[in-house]
Amino acid sequence: GQNIDQPTEMTATEGAIVQINCTYQTSGFNGLFWYQQHAGEAPTFLSYNVLDGLEEKGRFSSFLSRSKGYSYLLLKELQMKDSASYLCAVLDSNYQLIWGAGTKLIIKP
Amino acid sequence: DAMVIQNPRYQVTQFGKPVTLSCSQTLNHNVMYWYQQKSSQAPKLLFHYYDKDFNNEADTPDNFQSRRPNTSFCFLDIRSPGLGDAAMYLCATSPGGQGADTQYFGPGTRLTVL
Repeated sequence: GQNIDQPTEMTATEGAIVQINCTYQTSGFNGLFWYQQHAGEAPTFLSYNVLDGLEEKGRFSSFLSRSKGYSYLLLKELQMKDSASYLCAVLDSNYQLIWGAGTKLIIKP
Repeated sequence: DAMVIQNPRYQVTQFGKPVTLSCSQTLNHNVMYWYQQKSSQAPKLLFHYYDKDFNNEADTPDNFQSRRPNTSFCFLDIRSPGLGDAAMYLCATSPGGQGADTQYFGPGTRLTVL
């Protein structure tokens, strides 16, 4: 079966750095997405990785290792507005998006 | 601004009373998706359309149906809502070109079943 694993919840302090991990086992791989979802709202696109390595976009970076079936989302200089769920999703060989359940990130002052 | 619009944002219905959720897009994307998302769970794909080509997920209950009358609009019909159908319903679109597609989501409709 296809599986995406990410921690259910994480807590971090305003101004700090946090890394949210995602491991996946899918039939084929055509890229990995990270989405941010605030409570009661729709997911919004953050990043897409298909090649190994780190993609940096402002305060957010996303890393991929295809050989390890592993990705992480790195958030720097955390702000209170970063409190949200972060969903990892993998595009499989049929270009179907397989979703993780999301990691709820709680930011404390 | 190009966007994905869902109406209504909040829908309350009674057990067994049919309900229709709507989605429209001004992005001119070929693909439209309907997801169901329950609290703290991953979005679950119900249907997707590649243009007018309808794709039903194998485990989508028969209680759910969809229509896409044109490129811009897509509807989700729940024929006889049960308490277990209370959820956020998300519409998404993607360009539908070759290769990986980024999906863009509407604000969602939160369905309550009384």
